[in-house]
Amino acid sequence: GNSVTQMEGPVTLSEEAFLTINCTYTATGYPSLFWYVQYPGEGLQLLLKATKADDKGSNKGFEATYRKETTSFHLEKGSVQVSDSAVYFCALNIGYGQNFVFGPGTRLSVLP
Amino acid sequence: EPEVTQTPSHQVTQMGQEVILRCVPISNHLYFYWYRQILGQKVEFLVSFYNNEISEKSEIFDDQFSVERPDGSNFTLKIRSTKLEDSAMYFCATRMDRAATNEKLFFGSGTQLSVL
Repeated sequence: GNSVTQMEGPVTLSEEAFLTINCTYTATGYPSLFWYVQYPGEGLQLLLKATKADDKGSNKGFEATYRKETTSFHLEKGSVQVSDSAVYFCALNIGYGQNFVFGPGTRLSVLP
Repeated sequence: EPEVTQTPSHQVTQMGQEVILRCVPISNHLYFYWYRQILGQKVEFLVSFYNNEISEKSEIFDDQFSVERPDGSNFTLKIRSTKLEDSAMYFCATRMDRAATNEKLFFGSGTQLSVL
C-alpha cells in the first residue's frame, strides 16, 4: 500500500537555524509529493509540491527535492523564523481520484 | 485565494447524539474529501466524493458515517450516533480535477468535534 513516514517531532530550533524534516514514502505507482503546513488553530495549507523525480518544490524559503532512488522528499530551509512554528505534513497522491496519504506530521517550534 | 468554508468551527455533543458537519466547497471544484485529525495524531482519510457518490472510503468510515451534497452546494458529513473516540478535528478538502495527480487539495479550517 501507499504510506508516508516522517521524522518524529517535536523539533525545536533557534531562529536562523537550518531545518531538515525527513520524509520517505512507499507507493505502488508514481506519486506526486507534497508538503502541507498547519499553523496553530488553522487547517492545512499547501507549502510546496513536486510531481516527478528530481523536481524541486520551493516556497517561502522552503525546498524539497523528489528523490525517486531513495523514495524521499525531505523538507529544508536555510534559516527558520519564529513564524515558521507549525506542524508540517508530508503527503503523497497516486492520482486518478485517489485520496491523499499524509504522514504523521512533525511539529516545529522556533525560539527567538 | 479561494477558500473552503466549514461550519461550525466547534461542536460539542453528547455520546449517542447525531451531528452534521458542513462544508461549502470552492465553486468549480468537483472532488470532495473528509479527513480527521485526533489531537496530536496524524491526518486520517475518511471518504472521497465525486459526482454525487462516494468514490473511496477508509475503514474508519463505517455505517455510522454518511456524506451527501443535498443542495448542490453544501457537502455534509453526518455521524449518526457519536462515540467518545469520534472526538477530533474534521477537515473538509476539495480539488478541481480528480484526474490530475499534481492538483492540490484546498482544506477548510476544520470543525473541532468534542463528544462528551
